[in-house]
Amino acid sequence: AQSVSQHNHHVILSEAASLELGCNYSYGGTVNLFWYVQYPGQHLQLLLKYFSGDPLVKGIKGFEAEFIKSKFSFNLRKPSVQWSDTAEYFCAAVNYGGSQGNLIFGKGTKLSVKP
Amino acid sequence: ETGVTQTPRHLVMGMTNKKSLKCEQHLGHNAMYWYKQSAKKPLELMFVYNFKEQTENNSVPSRFSPECPNSSHLFLHLHTLQPEDSALYLCASSPVGPTGAGTQYFGPGTRLTVL
Repeated sequence: AQSVSQHNHHVILSEAASLELGCNYSYGGTVNLFWYVQYPGQHLQLLLKYFSGDPLVKGIKGFEAEFIKSKFSFNLRKPSVQWSDTAEYFCAAVNYGGSQGNLIFGKGTKLSVKP
Repeated sequence: ETGVTQTPRHLVMGMTNKKSLKCEQHLGHNAMYWYKQSAKKPLELMFVYNFKEQTENNSVPSRFSPECPNSSHLFLHLHTLQPEDSALYLCASSPVGPTGAGTQYFGPGTRLTVL
């Protein structure tokens, strides 16, 4: 079955630390990959996405993610986190094809940034 | 504000009640979705509608009944729910198409508690 897995349930960092959140997917064929973020009390929103081309994609608020096809990974990174990055982060994938496809989410990683 | 609104934001209901959740989007999208978000579980896709037609029912119990009267409105009718149905119910919309499915815009959710 198609699935998305996130390695960490809860990550705690101090401000200015570097961040890397792991994400792996299991799909056959080409996939579209996404990171969504849910800030406390706010709606889920798109952080960045990969469809094709440059495997290093940049999103909002200084986040980036790298698609490594050989490792089936799409890890999220940020060089220096801020307290305002405290949120829950969800990796997601859509199986690319002629039909609509459905978004499959990982369980999420909660990030807590200490001021 | 994402352009997707949900009402009510909070709902407490007994197991014998009948209630409905409402979702409205002002983005001109033609695909709409219902998700269930429970603690420590991945976001679960429940239903998908494309151009008002249901294209996905992810083995959801019949006590959840969706309705999509037009591309801007989506309802989830609830009856004889169980306590384990308590969760955050999220609505989302997106453009239709293989790359549209992943670029979803989410509402704030309805926090449902079943007593």
